[in-house]
Amino acid sequence: DTAVSQTPKYLVTQMGNDKSIKCEQNLGHDTMYWYKQDSKKFLKIMFSYNNKELIINETVPNRFSPKSPDKAHLNLHINSLELGDSAVYFCASNQGTQPQHFGDGTRLSIL
Amino acid sequence: AQSVTQPDIHITVSEGASLELRCNYSYGATPYLFWYVQSPGQGLQLLLKYFSGDTLVQGIKGFEAEFKRSQSSFNLRKPSVHWSDAAEYFCAVGSGGYNKLIFGAGTRLAVHP
Repeated sequence: DTAVSQTPKYLVTQMGNDKSIKCEQNLGHDTMYWYKQDSKKFLKIMFSYNNKELIINETVPNRFSPKSPDKAHLNLHINSLELGDSAVYFCASNQGTQPQHFGDGTRLSIL
Repeated sequence: AQSVTQPDIHITVSEGASLELRCNYSYGATPYLFWYVQSPGQGLQLLLKYFSGDTLVQGIKGFEAEFKRSQSSFNLRKPSVHWSDAAEYFCAVGSGGYNKLIFGAGTRLAVHP
């Protein structure tokens, strides 16, 4: 059983389009995260939600909007996609100070 | 500001050789420290963590790491590397209530047969 699952695994789209990535965790965790991994493998946190409440919002363009319909789901919507948005986006979750569990990532490619 | 430095971008070792991956951190308080491994096309898997207590921590797959406060280091070690250990390794520190992970740039490990 997958603990943190992301869909889609691959996303290829054109500049200017709007797309969403979905994340679900079945671990019963209260906190979920989105990270961006760039082409040099550098990982940086974007957002974090705790019980559907936004608790971390790093310096991210406002074209990126996270949404948490419930504590098991955290989706990422991206408007007006740009070439620089090409990356692998990882969802993660944890409980309290315990280590974060990561999904397998969504590879976003902008043409 | 909190930061994590992994000085070695790429390391190559022979199968069966010992391994040490370096990690230095900058953090004002007692850090929560982690090592994660990422295989190609996969997510990150936790190898081990340090929260408090014994400074030598054991992890999965035969890995261990030692926290040295005086050196601000948390180096990862393995006595005998297997070909399946080839992957990207990330050191991270938890900050901001420990929910926010700050990652190092990663070290890519290649293993020669």
